[in-house]
Amino acid sequence: SQQGEEDPQALSIQEGENATMNCSYKTSINNLQWYRQNSGRGLVHLILIRSNEREKHSGRLRVTLDTSKKSSSLLITASRAADTASYFCATEDSSYKLIFGSGTRLLVRP
Amino acid sequence: EPEVTQTPSHQVTQMGQEVILRCVPISNHLYFYWYRQILGQKVEFLVSFYNNEISEKSEIFDDQFSVERPDGSNFTLKIRSTKLEDSAMYFCASSEAGTGRKSSGANVLTFGAGSRLTVL
Repeated sequence: SQQGEEDPQALSIQEGENATMNCSYKTSINNLQWYRQNSGRGLVHLILIRSNEREKHSGRLRVTLDTSKKSSSLLITASRAADTASYFCATEDSSYKLIFGSGTRLLVRP
Repeated sequence: EPEVTQTPSHQVTQMGQEVILRCVPISNHLYFYWYRQILGQKVEFLVSFYNNEISEKSEIFDDQFSVERPDGSNFTLKIRSTKLEDSAMYFCASSEAGTGRKSSGANVLTFGAGSRLTVL
């Protein structure tokens, strides 16, 4: 399968610090997306990067994609306590199906 | 902002019982999905649905599972005879673009808040 696998599994940082989460996948993709999940809730789409893009920004989010290494990273700058959540990468395969990884649980301490 | 709604939010059932989870996707979306998440684990694809038929299904989606769009708004997941290992959070999602066909846009999903199923 081409599930994305995130690391670290869990990350604890102080408010104001940057948080970096990584995702690796196995096969070719159309695009890679990051989603956020608050505890006990559904996933919310954050940002999408296409396979021909290398970097994308959205507010405090920065996503990179390295298709040669089949990896992506999500950087959240100047983190806030409200950023506490689980973050999942999802890869869109050739049939446009989204496959999610295991997620990174981010805790931002006030 | 349009949202995907799911009912019930939590259902407790006895092993072997039938369960139906309901979803109302976003009205102008054409592609519908069910995913599940066992507590603390990854979000797993179950099935995608387009034009009143299943587009794709995973190995998890065996004969115990079925999906239906009984009317113009609801999208349901039925588990015929629940097992203990079916206990999970079930998420419905919908999208404008989707699986199985060439689309101009990427497949961005809007998820519901989930239905927690507990099988005793």
